[in-house]
Amino acid sequence: EVQLLESGGGLVQPGGSLRLSCAASGFTFSSYAMSWVRQAPGKGLEWVSAISGSGGSTYYADSVKGRFTISRDNSKNTLYLQMNSLRAEDTAVYYCAKAFSPRGLGGEGMDVWGQGTTVTVSS
Amino acid sequence: QSALTQPASVSGSPGQSITISCTGTSSDVGSYNLVSWYQQHPGKAPKLMIYEGSKRPSGVSNRFSGSKSGNTASLTISGLQAEDEADYYCCSYAGSSTLAFGGGTKLTVL
Repeated sequence: EVQLLESGGGLVQPGGSLRLSCAASGFTFSSYAMSWVRQAPGKGLEWVSAISGSGGSTYYADSVKGRFTISRDNSKNTLYLQMNSLRAEDTAVYYCAKAFSPRGLGGEGMDVWGQGTTVTVSS
Repeated sequence: QSALTQPASVSGSPGQSITISCTGTSSDVGSYNLVSWYQQHPGKAPKLMIYEGSKRPSGVSNRFSGSKSGNTASLTISGLQAEDEADYYCCSYAGSSTLAFGGGTKLTVL
C-alpha cells in the first residue's frame, strides 16, 4: 500500500525550531519529487516547498524562504522539513505529498498525501 | 506567488451539476496545462480528483471533469451526490518551480 506518514509536529515558541519527517512506503521513493503543503486553522492549502527525486533541487514559497529547509534521505525513504525562526503564522497542519508523475514537480498533481502533523507556534 | 481565485462557496441539489472556477494569470493557469483539483472532507487529507487539467486518476468517478479556458480552470461535478459535499481546491504550476493553490470552495449539497 502506498503510504506517507508525517511526524515531528508539536508546540514551539516563536523563534524556535522544529523538524518534520515524512516516512514513505509502497512506491519507489527516489523516483518522485515530494512537497510539503500546509493548512492554517480554518484556512486553505498553501504550498510550502518541494524537492526533486534525487534531492539535488529544492524549491520554496516566498513565505518560508530562508527559514525552512527541505531535504530527503532516499536510503531511508524519508522526507524532512527543517523549520527555523518559526512565527505564529506558521501554525498549521503540515502535509507531505507525492508528485503524480516521475517527471513532474507536483504541478501536474499530487496523488498521495499523508495524514498531516500539527505545528503550533505560540508562547 | 499569489493565490488563485475561487468562489468561496457553491451549492447544488442532488443530481444537478455544478462548476467551480479557478482564476489565475498568464503566469500560471494560462501558461501551463498543469492544473490539479483536490477534494478535502473535514479533518481529512486532500484527495487528488483531477490532474494535468482534465485527467482523472484511477478510482475517481467520471462525474468529475476538468477544463481550462485562458487563465481560468474549471471543475465540473455532474450528478451531485451527498458525499460530494466537501472543500475543493485548485492548484497550478506557477513558474520558477513553484506551485499556487486557490483559496478553496465549499460545496454544499442541498
